[in-house]
Amino acid sequence: DAMVIQNPRYQVTQFGKPVTLSCSQTLNHNVMYWYQQKSSQAPKLLFHYYDKDFNNEADTPDNFQSRRPNTSFCFLDIRSPGLGDAAMYLCATSGNRKTRSSYNEQFFGPGTRLTVL
Amino acid sequence: SQQGEEDPQALSIQEGENATMNCSYKTSINNLQWYRQNSGRGLVHLILIRSNEREKHSGRLRVTLDTSKKSSSLLITASRAADTASYFCATVRDGTASKLTFGTGTRLQVTL
Repeated sequence: DAMVIQNPRYQVTQFGKPVTLSCSQTLNHNVMYWYQQKSSQAPKLLFHYYDKDFNNEADTPDNFQSRRPNTSFCFLDIRSPGLGDAAMYLCATSGNRKTRSSYNEQFFGPGTRLTVL
Repeated sequence: SQQGEEDPQALSIQEGENATMNCSYKTSINNLQWYRQNSGRGLVHLILIRSNEREKHSGRLRVTLDTSKKSSSLLITASRAADTASYFCATVRDGTASKLTFGTGTRLQVTL
């Protein structure tokens, strides 16, 4: 089945130790998104890629970076995690230009829960 | 900044009852969507309603949209224990193609 996969599902890191979260998709979607969701809060968009074009949200801290080496993969790098970065990180995808599938509906992965010690 | 507010924050009902959740937003929109999130999991798209639509149905779901009041409601009829989850509305603003801004969510508990 076409899907969005996130690895790892649970990640523990130390304060200040860089960490990378990964997302892959088999949907051939043009757009990939990263959201941060803290406990009992709404998901908050960090940034998204439209193909290779990177779009950062104005209030996303510089500590968060992203890479999209190809259509299928997208990475979230947290350069120096702080205690406040502990959250669920959700990857989502949308839209296929060739099949004209909707850009509106987003397909989410199961998330990576990040713990910062 | 967070776009929408949802109420109630939490709702507990018995199986078979209907559940209604409300969402308010602040700016003009292209469309509004509802998503479900099971505990500790990703979100699943439920339904999309465009700004020129007033009501939409999908199975046991009924969504209404009132753009003059900047509000939407999600009705789940004949609820089941499996409907237990958090429900989020999300808006796509005009000119921000495909970017979702989520509301605060309603946690629904359906008991047997």
